[in-house]
Amino acid sequence: QKEVEQDPGPLSVPEGAIVSLNCTYSNSAFQYFMWYRQYSRKGPELLMYTYSSGNKEDGRFTAQVDKSSKYISLFIRDSQPSDSATYLCAMNVNTGTASKLTFGTGTRLQVTL
Amino acid sequence: DSGVTQTPKHLITATGQRVTLRCSPRSGDLSVYWYQQSLDQGLQFLIQYYNGEERAKGNILERFSAQQFPDLHSELNLSSLELGDSALYFCASSVDAGGGTGELFFGEGSRLTVL
Repeated sequence: QKEVEQDPGPLSVPEGAIVSLNCTYSNSAFQYFMWYRQYSRKGPELLMYTYSSGNKEDGRFTAQVDKSSKYISLFIRDSQPSDSATYLCAMNVNTGTASKLTFGTGTRLQVTL
Repeated sequence: DSGVTQTPKHLITATGQRVTLRCSPRSGDLSVYWYQQSLDQGLQFLIQYYNGEERAKGNILERFSAQQFPDLHSELNLSSLELGDSALYFCASSVDAGGGTGELFFGEGSRLTVL
């Protein structure tokens, strides 16, 4: 079983829809939870990170962490065609001296006009 | 543009061969990370260097090795290549070693095809 599970999709939604992307994890030592966005033929870029359980909002994006259920989500409101990309969840244990992000396999999102 | 430069962008080689991938981190970043991305496995952590010192290791094969030089650029060496090594290899960098916030800056990757 993988440490981080993510539905690969693809997920196709019409413009303006609310998108929900999810990951589950098994390692309770994970402290930091991130969402990266990867456009085709590009490297991933950090979208949001959260440390504690709860919600964090940034514009049209909301990241949610439920440590008790080992479940994280990313919501995208008013989705745009420019949101079409692969979204990767990632998790980390901060040792202070090293970093070893564990990524989900990514969910491919397509927002159609 | 993340500021992380990787070369070459594409590489085609034969089984049994050896290749070197190069990475220049963002200016000021001391940590360099190598990741392998394949369709079935997703993004897999290989290794981290911080200011020339190895800090963390993932499931990196013995046929693979890396180093970070005094000017902070890094190289990933892949030898005795097999068909299954075909993948996208990403380099990323960050300012610190602990990476608590998880902000890694990724290059555009080197696509390796082994025939």
